[in-house]
Amino acid sequence: KNEVEQSPQNLTAQEGEFITINCSYSVGISALHWLQQHPGGGIVSLFMLSSGKKKHGRLIATINIQEKHSSLHITASHPRDSAVYICAVRRRGGADGLTFGKGTHLIIQP
Amino acid sequence: NAGVTQTPKFQVLKTGQSMTLQCAQDMNHNSMYWYRQDPGMGLRLIYYSASEGTTDKGEVPNGYNVSRLNKREFSLRLESAAPSQTSVYFCASRTGWQDTEAFFGQGTRLTVV
Repeated sequence: KNEVEQSPQNLTAQEGEFITINCSYSVGISALHWLQQHPGGGIVSLFMLSSGKKKHGRLIATINIQEKHSSLHITASHPRDSAVYICAVRRRGGADGLTFGKGTHLIIQP
Repeated sequence: NAGVTQTPKFQVLKTGQSMTLQCAQDMNHNSMYWYRQDPGMGLRLIYYSASEGTTDKGEVPNGYNVSRLNKREFSLRLESAAPSQTSVYFCASRTGWQDTEAFFGQGTRLTVV
């Protein structure tokens, strides 16, 4: 079983819809990251969380440390939000670096 | 403000050839990382460097070597490329002092034939 699981793997929605992507992890962590990757492109950091909730524009990220779960929400989705969204955790102890989920492929149709 | 710069962006190698992937960051970060991304899998850590002069193995180090040339540069070398090393390679960096945002390069798409 992967240490970081994302759901759904693929999501297609209409412009304007409220989007939720989920991430569950099974290890102790010091921080959780949400990243965005456009097709053929690089990886951009959206959020880093260790507790609570963060908001940036139309994006909201939450984390529940006790339940080992995080969600990424997109309000008023737009076709330019189409990308792969990746959850990654920094494990407490062990090797440095991030452990990644497989990503959620989001398509927003006009 | 370049951030993390990787070269080359694309490369095709024949089995057995060697090459070095270059990575440089201009943010004065202590920690640097090399990851590979394969279809259907999450990114996996190859090697990392917590500071200048130190390197450590990650999850999938076999077939690779690294050099932390100075604080800015962290290179990844394939001594004898194999088709299993066909992948997209990402370099990343962060300050390293606490949990901080990671910055990624644009990636190198490597094909070994």
